[in-house]
Amino acid sequence: AQTVTQSQPEMSVQEAETVTLSCTYDTSESDYYLFWYKQPPSRQMILVIRQEAYKQQNATENRFSVNFQKAAKSFSLKISDSQLGDAAMYFCAYRSAWGGSEKLVFGKGTKLTVNP
Amino acid sequence: GAGVSQSPSNKVTEKGKDVELRCDPISGHTALYWYRQSLGQGLEFLIYFQGNSAPDKSGLPSDRFSAERTGGSVSTLTIQRTQQEDSAVYLCASSATGGDGNTIYFGEGSWLTVV
Repeated sequence: AQTVTQSQPEMSVQEAETVTLSCTYDTSESDYYLFWYKQPPSRQMILVIRQEAYKQQNATENRFSVNFQKAAKSFSLKISDSQLGDAAMYFCAYRSAWGGSEKLVFGKGTKLTVNP
Repeated sequence: GAGVSQSPSNKVTEKGKDVELRCDPISGHTALYWYRQSLGQGLEFLIYFQGNSAPDKSGLPSDRFSAERTGGSVSTLTIQRTQQEDSAVYLCASSATGGDGNTIYFGEGSWLTVV
């Protein structure tokens, strides 16, 4: 079974600075999808960014980018120019690309604090 | 609706009572998921529905938990004889299809407290 590990329970960053959240995963599959979700205090899970494993190019969404290292099974999230609104729980998730195993497998999350 | 809708938003129930949590997915979404999030924990998969296929129930923690999806749309998660360890946020999510990386959209969750 696939597992996702987030080794940083909490992180903090100064406003306007850059922070990187770590995520590693374990799988024997070659094709899959990786996601970062943000969960603010409102509890709403919001998709931040996603990466297809077959794509070598790292995904980027405005201030959010990933460093996807397939051989190392690493998928870190970089937040540039951090804003107060970025404060939230961040979850890394894995999803198989093969039929019959559709669910997202989540890490335990990293709580990000943004200091003014 | 525009997003995944869940009700009730908050529910307090006495130990031993049954509860029903409702999820209304995004219109047209064939895949529907239930997750449980205990305080300070990650998301635990419970059950997955895809179209008319048999649901993936592999995450249900005990036979006190069940879920159904009527007409391929609204889903109800039922917890019988609730226990204090059932206290958690129950999140529902939906997507257009499964297994191809389509974005999974989450509702705001139902916060269940068992006293």
